[in-house]
Parts: sequence; structure tokens; C-alpha cells
Amino acid sequence: DAGVTQSPTHLIKTRGQHVTLRCSPISGHKSVSWYQQVLGQGPQFIFQYYEKEERGRGNFPDRFSARQFPNYSSELNVNALLLGDSALYLCASSLIGNPNEKLFFGSGTQLSVL
Amino acid sequence: AQKITQTQPGMFVQEKEAVTLDCTYDTSDQSYGLFWYKQPSSGEMIFLIYQGSYDEQNATEGRYSLNFQKARKSANLVISASQLGDSAMYFCAMRALSNFGNEKLTFGTGTRLTIIP
Repeated sequence: DAGVTQSPTHLIKTRGQHVTLRCSPISGHKSVSWYQQVLGQGPQFIFQYYEKEERGRGNFPDRFSARQFPNYSSELNVNALLLGDSALYLCASSLIGNPNEKLFFGSGTQLSVL
Repeated sequence: AQKITQTQPGMFVQEKEAVTLDCTYDTSDQSYGLFWYKQPSSGEMIFLIYQGSYDEQNATEGRYSLNFQKARKSANLVISASQLGDSAMYFCAMRALSNFGNEKLTFGTGTRLTIIP
């Protein structure tokens, strides 16, 4: 069975541009979360979606948005990119989003903003 | 608010020795879960072990065990008989269990473990 898949694996953008990152959860998983991992830091929670509804939002500006589709895949959008948005963006999925469930992570999208 | 502290930025350990990675936490939640994840250079976060705050026994998963001391708010990861493949970043994380459906994880800054042949 395929794990969590993310695309693209690497991306280079310039300041002010917009970016869309994509995530496909493990088959049967209905909850998807997004995390930002800046170099040398632990991942920071951005969003959680379950059954296409937002269940949680971290402390990120409105330039960050996300959505979940009927097939449970998800997109993370970032507008007006800043240099500080350069990071590894990780997607994670779980069955139903229970607090004691472990998350399954993808390998991430490495975003570089120049 | 939740906070995870990992005070060891890097560790070097001889192959086949046991290693303890430190993690302390702070939370106002009465019910919470503690996780350890491994992140190799590929970037993927790999789940290792989970401990619920009300679990009376320390969690174990193969070569991994979690030394949970609730009064001291510590959740140290112990890896027995280390292997070269254990070289990676290790993150401690926690989540409140009281908020059903909220699976936000709060991570520490990680410890880079290097196993020496």
C-alpha cells in the first residue's frame, strides 16, 4: 500500500509568488494535517482537515490556506511568498483524526523562496 | 499551551550501545499523549512510540522504550542495542487528548543522533 505522497518534492519560487503543494493520504485515511519545518527546527502545525472541514489552524498568517477534496487529498496554498516561507512542508494523515492516533507523514515538499 | 524541550542538539553513540534521548514537556492539559518520531535524511517522519498520560506502564516497541516520569514531566526515549540505521533526527512531540478530533502535534527542536561503527 502506498504511504502519504506529496508533490512536488522540491520547488523554487521567488518572493511575491504563489505556490500550491499537494498531498495524497494513505488509502482510507480521512484526516490530513500540514506542518512547516524550518531548517534546524521541529515541525510547526499549520492546518488539519477532516472530511473536507477545517478542524485546526496553527499560528500562521492568512497567506496560508488549505482545502481537502472529496477523495481526501489536500492542497496547501501560500500567497505572496516571503523568504521566511522557505522550509520543508510535511503532510500527515490518519484514519479519523483521534488524538491518540499516530500520524503517518510524507517525505515533504522542500520549498525554497529566493 | 504546550511546550516540548529537547536539550541535546546532538549525540554520538557507539554501535550496539544503548542511548537515551531526553525530552521534557509542559502542559496544562490533564490528558495528553507523548510521541517520538524519527526523521532520516529523506525527510519523512517515522512514528516510533506512543505513551498516554494515564498509561501506568512505560511503552515499549521493539528496541524502543519510553521512560515516562509524569511527576518530573519527562518522556525520555531509550534505544537499546543501537544500529547504524538509527542515525537520524529524533523528535519528541505531544498532543492534548481532551479535544476530540484535534490531532495537532507540538514538537521539540529535535536531537541529531549519530551512531559510530
